[in-house]
Amino acid sequence: QLHLQESGPGLVKPSETLSLTCSVSGGSISSGGYYWDWVRQAPGKGLEWIGNIDYSGQTQYNPSLKSRATISMDTSKSQFSLRLTSVTAADTSIFYCARHGGPGAGIPRAFDFWGRGTMVAVS
Amino acid sequence: QSALTQPPSASGSPGQSVTISCTGTSSDVGGYDYVSWYQQHPGKAPKLMIFEVTKRPSGVPDRFSGSKSGNTASLTVSGLQADDEADYFCSSYAGIELPYVFGTGTTVTVL
Repeated sequence: QLHLQESGPGLVKPSETLSLTCSVSGGSISSGGYYWDWVRQAPGKGLEWIGNIDYSGQTQYNPSLKSRATISMDTSKSQFSLRLTSVTAADTSIFYCARHGGPGAGIPRAFDFWGRGTMVAVS
Repeated sequence: QSALTQPPSASGSPGQSVTISCTGTSSDVGGYDYVSWYQQHPGKAPKLMIFEVTKRPSGVPDRFSGSKSGNTASLTVSGLQADDEADYFCSSYAGIELPYVFGTGTTVTVL
């Protein structure tokens, strides 16, 4: 069973950079057919997709973040990471990492595994 | 793209059914058969319940079913049980520019 766990500081100062890591166990992040995603939820708000990375290192991002987000992968550690620059109070959220199936036979086109989330406050 | 619209709350007695709607546009829900539904208990990771509109992952009871008509997708939970009390949210593929959008979330209460 795949397991994802987010880690990182719970408090970041305004204008600084938020850095989070997602550790993946029970499966390989190098296998094709999947995207590794970051999703966030601000207090009292809905979920917002931040971006993802695939096994080859190709990334996609939510245009609303205006290039502040960078997602990277370290396959040797079975981890992928998020950096969000120039944070403001509006970035205060629970951040989730998740796996999403891509085009491929038998792969659900959905977020099939999620971490429990980590709360990050900007203050 | 904007968030998909869900009712804030829904409720039913044990054994009854509850249906949650997820309304988008022709650019997301109406344009692709890639709607999924998730269940989240407080403090826990979201769990995939339905993918590609109607399909259930292994291990999800057949009391959970999904459908879609036009720009609105729906999740029906039949035979409500106490453990079904949770937040539910939908998601849809929305194209290359912004691939994934989510619903506003619905809290289901078992009376």
